[in-house]
Amino acid sequence: LAKTTQPISMDSYEGQEVNITCSHNNIATNDYITWYQQFPSQGPRFIIQGYKTKVTNEVASLFIPADRKSSTLSLPRVSLSDTAVYYCLVGEGYAGAGSYQLTFGKGTKLSVIP
Amino acid sequence: SQTIHQWPATLVQPVGSPLSLECTVEGTSNPNLYWYRQAAGRGLQLLFYSVGIGQISSEVPQNLSASRPQDRQFILSSKKLLLSDSGFYLCAWSARDRGFPKNIQYFGAGTRLSVL
Repeated sequence: LAKTTQPISMDSYEGQEVNITCSHNNIATNDYITWYQQFPSQGPRFIIQGYKTKVTNEVASLFIPADRKSSTLSLPRVSLSDTAVYYCLVGEGYAGAGSYQLTFGKGTKLSVIP
Repeated sequence: SQTIHQWPATLVQPVGSPLSLECTVEGTSNPNLYWYRQAAGRGLQLLFYSVGIGQISSEVPQNLSASRPQDRQFILSSKKLLLSDSGFYLCAWSARDRGFPKNIQYFGAGTRLSVL
C-alpha cells in the first residue's frame, strides 16, 4: 500500500478556496486516489476519487499531476460546515485484487474560521 | 439506494463484560464488509474485513473477533472487554464488482464504546 503524507492541520476563512495536498511517492500503476471527509463522532464520507488529471464533482475537485506522486483536493468557497478531517487514501482494493485495505492516516484537520 | 445501519450509537460496558456490535447493509448484495476502530484524535485502524459469509480476515491481533453469519450482516464481538478496547467503532461496506470507482467504502454512524 502506498504511503501518503498530508498536512496535519490547516486554517481557512469562510468563502476562501482551500487546497489540501497529499504526497504519495510510491503510488502503483493500478492505484486510485480517494479522499474522505470526517466530522467529529461520525464515520468518514467519500468525497472524490481519481486516477489522473482532474476530476470534479458537486463537492470538490481533485487535481493529479502526470507523475501521480501527489494530489490536491480543492474545496471551493468553504463554509463553517466544511470544518472536518480530510483523509487522502491511495490503493486499488477491489475484490479479487487481494488488497482490500484502505489505510487511513491521521488526515488533515481543516478549521474554517468565520 | 444502499444504507448501512450500525448500533448501538453509544455503549458503556464494565471491564470483563462481553461485547456485541452489529452492522447491517441494505440495498446491495455480496458486499465487502469492514470493522474499524478509531481512538480519540487518531486515524482509523482496520480490525477485520470480510469478502463473504463466514470469511473473516483479521488485521490486528487483539481481544476482538468478528463474524458474518449472513451476507449483509457483520458482527464485532468480545468475550471479555479490556480498558484498551474503548474507542469509536465503525462498520463499512464496499462493492465487490470490478468497475470504477475502486473500493469506495461507505461507513456507518459508528458506536462510541467506553469500557470502565
